[in-house]
Amino acid sequence: QSELTQPPSASGTPGQTVTISCSGSTSNIKVNYVYWFQQLPGLAPKLLISTTSQRPSGVPDRFSGSKSGTSASLAISGLRSEDEATYYCASWDDSLGGYVVFGGGTKLTVL
Amino acid sequence: QVQLQESGPGLVKPSETLSLTCAVSGVSITNITYYWGWIRQPPGRGPEWIGSVYYNGRTYYNPFLKSRVTISLDTSKNQFSLRLTSVTAADTAVYYCARDYQLPPGYWGQGTLVTVSS
Repeated sequence: QSELTQPPSASGTPGQTVTISCSGSTSNIKVNYVYWFQQLPGLAPKLLISTTSQRPSGVPDRFSGSKSGTSASLAISGLRSEDEATYYCASWDDSLGGYVVFGGGTKLTVL
Repeated sequence: QVQLQESGPGLVKPSETLSLTCAVSGVSITNITYYWGWIRQPPGRGPEWIGSVYYNGRTYYNPFLKSRVTISLDTSKNQFSLRLTSVTAADTAVYYCARDYQLPPGYWGQGTLVTVSS
């Protein structure tokens, strides 16, 4: 099963900017939107970025998304302790008739 | 405000069928152009999309699960359901129902843990 590739962990200190990468392929990220989710322990994932770079209502502008070719990135600026969570990317994959693919997640630690 | 609530057995025996329901409140499931779907997350792992049903009843399934999955709308009860047949321990996960105007769906329920064990 096709899956998006994320680094398992990332870290930063308060106030820093952290970037989380998401690597895909020509059948998903290159040609479709990317979505980012934030999951706090014990809770359901929450939509952070929609259609590659759009923030849903209520999401701080410290969070931003972008993509280039077959990769996408989530940037978190002005890092805060409450940003410590696991972040997942997702996209639509055009192969096999089409389906949703997720990344394996990146655990962000705020030092 | 649209709200989703999953319900169903928390324990299913191997080889049996897993059945879950997602009750929807705040909107009629056939009056809004949403994809209503299911996503699962095995313990300690990333989410996996199971499939979705469009408001008009058209279904979209993960090709790797398609042979075992049925997702359908129940308009009389304003809910939708998931059936997953021939389950094994690998199907143990938190199951989320979800909704959105596009796929992947952005808004998920709180989730329900389903354990496959004899």
